[in-house]
Amino acid sequence: AAGVIQSPRHLIKEKRETATLKCYPIPRHDTVYWYQQGPGQDPQFLISFYEKMQSDKGSIPDRFSAQQFSDYHSELNMSSLELGDSALYFCASSLGGDSYEQYFGPGTRLTVT
Amino acid sequence: GQQLNQSPQSMFIQEGEDVSMNCTSSSIFNTWLWYKQEPGEGPVLLIALYKAGELTSNGRLTAQFGITRKDSFLNISASIPSDVGIYFCAGRTYSGGGADGLTFGKGTHLIIQP
Repeated sequence: AAGVIQSPRHLIKEKRETATLKCYPIPRHDTVYWYQQGPGQDPQFLISFYEKMQSDKGSIPDRFSAQQFSDYHSELNMSSLELGDSALYFCASSLGGDSYEQYFGPGTRLTVT
Repeated sequence: GQQLNQSPQSMFIQEGEDVSMNCTSSSIFNTWLWYKQEPGEGPVLLIALYKAGELTSNGRLTAQFGITRKDSFLNISASIPSDVGIYFCAGRTYSGGGADGLTFGKGTHLIIQP
């Protein structure tokens, strides 16, 4: 079965640069979620979108923004990168805005040097 | 914010043993989910629980949604080497807006000794 696709899988950036992460949800899924997982940590919820509208917001820094497009893919834009932004970034998708089951992608490993 | 207390942090067990881990919270959750994560990969959904008191199985895995809605446990029977990984509990509260983010526990690192 098709899964969530994330690109790129690995990304290396320098401090103060910008980065864009992409997420393609499972086919027919209309809801996407973004999570950040630091080394040895649990995933932390950043933001979610349902039907292209922002739905829930977690601990997303003001330097980050995200959107969901008409084909339901989503992009997380990160500016003025800091060393502490180095982490795994996961996208998850679900069907319907109230779906309880979130399916995670393989993640993008961002390293800021 | 909401916090989930997951225990134990790590488990060293022999192949074939049963495993039990749990999560507790001071807050009520409407949904409990259990995920397994292997190094460098995304969490994989194992079991989703929707109602207080619900007991659900998925193969050798069994999970329960606590009656108070503030806790959940996961049992793995007859562990095998491929069960190695980090198991996370996650809770969801219904905010009314839909697409609610999950709150994760700190994880239980399962290590199996042959």
